Amino acid sequence: EVQLVESGGGLVQPGGSLRLSCAASGFTFSTFWMTWVRQAPGKGLEWVANIKQDGSEKFYVNSVRGRFTISRDNAKKSLYLQMNSLRAEDTAVYYCAREDIVVVPSAKRLSYWGQGTLVTVSS
Amino acid sequence: DIQMTQSPSSLSASVGDRVTITCRASQSITRYLNWYQQKPGKAPKLLIYAASSLQSGVPSRFSGSGSGTDFTLTISSLQPEDFATYYCQQSYSTPHTFGGGTKVDIK
Repeated sequence: EVQLVESGGGLVQPGGSLRLSCAASGFTFSTFWMTWVRQAPGKGLEWVANIKQDGSEKFYVNSVRGRFTISRDNAKKSLYLQMNSLRAEDTAVYYCAREDIVVVPSAKRLSYWGQGTLVTVSS
Repeated sequence: DIQMTQSPSSLSASVGDRVTITCRASQSITRYLNWYQQKPGKAPKLLIYAASSLQSGVPSRFSGSGSGTDFTLTISSLQPEDFATYYCQQSYSTPHTFGGGTKVDIK
């Protein structure tokens, strides 16, 4: 059974840092792109970043580029999100998700999601 | 970045109703369009990928259509468990942006 379990959320002051982790099990972690998606309280979903299987390619939404870093450790089957210079608007539930690439039909889909971890940025 | 616009933002419907939600992309995304369902306090669940392919285990009352910039999610006969918020997402180019969501509640 595929499982994704996020951890590391909590309360942090504006300007502070936090590192989120996502522990994967039930699949060959090293063969999948992985993604972070967030959801501010009462708001919609926002795609944050993704990372290639070997970590050689990373993409970010503009609002976090330069402040957040996505990384992975395939030996530990873990995904990370290092968040620096945090702002109030970064307050959200952060989900990790597995990105499946389908050849026929051509698709990239988020098939499995964790339960999320809440990050609150407030003084 | 590609902008995804969903409409309506909310709707009220009854059990058994046919429900249609639309999603428009700011540029062509061919068929790189996914639909997700989210219930309060839960993670999103994938329903449809590649615009019209049903994810394994999803009931056949859900269907998707469209290509290019205009897409539709249809629920043929709304069931009690379908009251939720629905999101479209483009995966044509990063960032893989989501629509703003459509909340389906009970009339």
